[in-house]
Order: sequence, then structure tokens, then C-alpha cells
Amino acid sequence: KNQVEQSPQSLIILEGKNCTLQCNYTVSPFSNLRWYKQDTGRGPVSLTIMTFSENTKSNGRYTATLDADTKQSSLHITASQLSDSASYICVVSDRGSTLGRLYFGRGTQLTVWP
Amino acid sequence: EADIYQTPRYLVIGTGKKITLECSQTMGHDKMYWYQQDPGMELHLIHYSYGVNSTEKGDLSSESTVSRIRTEHFPLTLESARPSHTSQYLCASSESAGVNTFGSGTRLTVV
Repeated sequence: KNQVEQSPQSLIILEGKNCTLQCNYTVSPFSNLRWYKQDTGRGPVSLTIMTFSENTKSNGRYTATLDADTKQSSLHITASQLSDSASYICVVSDRGSTLGRLYFGRGTQLTVWP
Repeated sequence: EADIYQTPRYLVIGTGKKITLECSQTMGHDKMYWYQQDPGMELHLIHYSYGVNSTEKGDLSSESTVSRIRTEHFPLTLESARPSHTSQYLCASSESAGVNTFGSGTRLTVV
């Protein structure tokens, strides 16, 4: 069964600290993996997208890694800011259909305290 | 700034009413999607479209219906709203192999 599991479910950190969010997936055949940031009451906004051959991709203070062998990804946030408080969603796409089916994790709720 | 727009942002409506959630995109994307998301839960695909006059049901069974008469417009309709329809509805669009661009969502509450 194709699944995307994220951990931790929630995380509280102090402003300025770093943190790492985890994503494990069983989706096959794999096409790409995306990390989204979703503010409360808003739609998700794409942070990074990685294909099979990519190991690392950065977007400002966000760095995503992908290990396609172990089917694991992480999102590292550096020097956190209050505005980083949001849900971070891992989304994996398969290439077994023309739709490019998306499988969503439940997200990690990050809270940054001053 | 995402070029996909959803209206209304919030809607509180009585049981039995007919409602239409609007979604428009200005990017010329062929593929459009509707997702349903409950608080703290993952997004579930309820409808998608490959292009004009093409609509399909997604993974999560939904009593809603959609139409795609124009490329840029993908409205979702509930003929008779019920409290069980209370949720957040997110519209998205994409190019053939691109990243989904999401709208800001409609928070629907049926009382």
C-alpha cells in the first residue's frame, strides 16, 4: 500500500534554532517528492521538489534531502523564524499513471516560539 | 503569488442548501483538482480534470459534483449540504509534470 508517514506529528522550537522534519514513504514507482508549507487556513505552498536522482535541494533556509534507496526524506529548517510556524507536508508522486498520483502525509505542525 | 483563486474563503450555510465553491486559475493549466482536508489530516483528492469537458472522481468518495466548461474555471457544487460536508476544500492546478499550485481554500461549515 502506498503511504507517506511524517514525524514528528508536532514540534515546538525556539526562534533561531534549527530543526529537521522526517518523511518516510512506500510509494512505488516513485516519481518525485515535494515538501509544502501550509499556513493555518491557507493552501499549501511548494518549498522543494526532488526527483529520483536528486539528493539535496535548498530553498533559502529550507533544505530537503532524499534517499531513494531507503525511501526517506528530511526537511531541515535553519535559523527558524516566527513565520516558520506552519504545517509542513510531504507529498510523493508516483509515475504509474498519467495523473501522476499524489500521496500526502498528514504533516508536521511546527510552532516557533519567541 | 499563486494565480489560482478560490471563493468564498469562508462559508457558513444551513443544512439542505445548494452551494457552489468557485475556483479559477490564470496559468492556462490543463489539470485541475479538488481536495478535501479536515483539521490535522492529510489532503484527500475528491475530483480532478485533465481539461475542458473532462472530470473524474478522486480517491475519496464525495457527494459533490464538478464541471469544466472552461480551462480556467473548475467549480464544485453540493446540491444539498449536510453537516458531514463541513471541511476545508482546496483547489489546485498543474502543468503536465509540474508542481501543484494550490488556492487558499474554502472553509465550509454546514449547520
